[in-house]
Amino acid sequence: AQTVTQSQPEMSVQEAETVTLSCTYDTSESDYYLFWYKQPPSRQMILVIRQEAYKQQNATENRFSVNFQKAAKSFSLKISDSQLGDAAMYFCAYRSGLSGAGSYQLTFGKGTKLSVIP
Amino acid sequence: NAGVMQNPRHLVRRRGQEARLRCSPMKGHSHVYWYRQLPEEGLKFMVYLQKENIIDESGMPKERFSAEFPKEGPSILRIQQVVRGDSAAYFCASSIQLAGDPKAETQYFGPGTRLLVL
Repeated sequence: AQTVTQSQPEMSVQEAETVTLSCTYDTSESDYYLFWYKQPPSRQMILVIRQEAYKQQNATENRFSVNFQKAAKSFSLKISDSQLGDAAMYFCAYRSGLSGAGSYQLTFGKGTKLSVIP
Repeated sequence: NAGVMQNPRHLVRRRGQEARLRCSPMKGHSHVYWYRQLPEEGLKFMVYLQKENIIDESGMPKERFSAEFPKEGPSILRIQQVVRGDSAAYFCASSIQLAGDPKAETQYFGPGTRLLVL
């Protein structure tokens, strides 16, 4: 079974600075998808960014980018020019690229709580 | 285009009662997923449904829990004879099957239902 580990329970960053959240995963598969979701105090789960394992290029969405290291099974999220609205829980998630039972579910890490200091 | 809708947002039940949680997927989405989030934890997969079919229920407890996604109307997650351990946030997500790549589905989440069992 796949596992996702987020080793930083809490992080903080000064407004306008850059912060990197870590995520590692364990899998024997070669085809899979990785996601970062944000959960603000409202508790809504919001997709931040996704990465296909077969793509070597790191995904980027505005101020959010990832550092995907497939051999190291690492998938970190970098937030540039941090804003107060970025304060939230951030969850890393894995989805298999295989077909069949069990492949559709997202496997989540336990999350990293990000605080943004004005 | 409205997002995934869940109701109620908050639900209080006494032990032994039934809880019914509803989820309306995004327009055009035919795949629904239910996840449970315990305090201080990431989301855990429960069940994956397509219209009128349960595709994968490997994460759902064998007793007291059931789910359906009828041809018409929302998906329902039903918990019979609730116990205090059922207290959690229950999230629904939906996805569309991308043409040409049936595995590359991004799941979009609703705001969740917070269930409290007294």
